[in-house]
Amino acid sequence: QVQLQESGPGLVKPLQTLSLTCTVSGGSISSGGYYWSWIRQHPGKGLEWIGYIYHTGTTYYNPTLKSRVTMSVDTSTNQFSLNLSSVTAADTAVYYCACSIVTLPAATPNFWGQGTLVTVSS
Amino acid sequence: EIVLTQSPGTLSLSPGERATLSCRASQSVNRYLAWYQQKPGRAPRLLIYGASSRATGIPDRFSGTGSGTDFTLTISRLEPEDFAVYYCQQYGNSAHTFGQGTKVEIK
Repeated sequence: QVQLQESGPGLVKPLQTLSLTCTVSGGSISSGGYYWSWIRQHPGKGLEWIGYIYHTGTTYYNPTLKSRVTMSVDTSTNQFSLNLSSVTAADTAVYYCACSIVTLPAATPNFWGQGTLVTVSS
Repeated sequence: EIVLTQSPGTLSLSPGERATLSCRASQSVNRYLAWYQQKPGRAPRLLIYGASSRATGIPDRFSGTGSGTDFTLTISRLEPEDFAVYYCQQYGNSAHTFGQGTKVEIK
């Protein structure tokens, strides 16, 4: 069973870059058996899909965020990361890392981290 | 961007009753639709993908139907652990948008 754990700053200043890392256990990023995703949830509101990355580095981003999003994988540490640039208060949310086994659609994760709240404020 | 509208906003039912949740898309998503369950303070849990395929480990009291723009999630007999918020998600369009959720609460 794959387990995921988000880590990173809980507070980011406006216009700075939000950086989060997801540590994977119980599965190997380099195996190619999963798509690795980020999804966020604004406080008290619904969900927003950010994008996913495959172990090859192939990415697929939400067009509404694409200009500010960068995802990467580090197979040596079995981690994948999210960078979101030029943040504003509207980027305050719980950020989830998640993954989909390749037999499922890439955009429908079946394993999720517990989520981490990131607040954008000066 | 495809907008998903879920109805009703809140469904008040008793354990053992049948729950019927609706998700309507602003344009066709074929069968590229998923359903998730979320409990307070927890991550979402994938229930259904491809409009009607149950994810691994999901009880058969959960079923999904529909195609195009109209979709339904049915819980045949509500168990106490089923009271939660349910979201639909489309992945036929690049933004992979979610609906606003339906809360299933105990009556």
